[in-house]
Amino acid sequence: GNSVTQMEGPVTLSEEAFLTINCTYTATGYPSLFWYVQYPGEGLQLLLKATKADDKGSNKGFEATYRKETTSFHLEKGSVQVSDSAVYFCALSYNQGGKLIFGQGTELSVKP
Amino acid sequence: GAVVSQHPSRVICKSGTSVKIECRSLDFQATTMFWYRQFPKKSLMLMATSNEGSKATYEQGVEKDKFLINHASLTLSTLTVTSAHPEDSSFYICSATERGRGVSYNEQFFGPGTRLTVL
Repeated sequence: GNSVTQMEGPVTLSEEAFLTINCTYTATGYPSLFWYVQYPGEGLQLLLKATKADDKGSNKGFEATYRKETTSFHLEKGSVQVSDSAVYFCALSYNQGGKLIFGQGTELSVKP
Repeated sequence: GAVVSQHPSRVICKSGTSVKIECRSLDFQATTMFWYRQFPKKSLMLMATSNEGSKATYEQGVEKDKFLINHASLTLSTLTVTSAHPEDSSFYICSATERGRGVSYNEQFFGPGTRLTVL
């Protein structure tokens, strides 16, 4: 079946460090891929998305490229801030407005 | 815009009682609402999908008589956990998609979640 796998957390970084959170997926066809972020005490928010192979999603300094050949959608940021501390979820979806399949989430903690 | 609220944010109940959780879209009309369950250190698991005015569609393995979902209006969906037991303790999250948003896919907007503890 369809599934999403993320790297285990928690990930602890110093401010201004480079961030990579790995995400790989198993799916048939061509799903859309997403990264959601959940700040403490808040609901999930869409961070970025990519709807086809080789698309790059970007937002707030975060980037992820849809790699069909490696079935990956790794999240990167060149210089993290304390305010980036949150839980990050990778997800896929096939349908317009349809259900999302989430990875297990990766907690990021950025220290000053 | 596109804010989803949940109430209550936290509830503690005795085993055998029923608990209702509300999910509201505050500034848009929600065509579809989704209910998820999140276990500690685990992903979100979709429980059911509800469309306004029609019966919810439950995911495999989710007991529809246990988790009653009502989507009575375009801004409100409720999840009732009936005869709750300690194993139902979890974090329940709803999301909603906006009617007629006009994009290639309808983004889901998430509520902040409800922490249910059954004693």
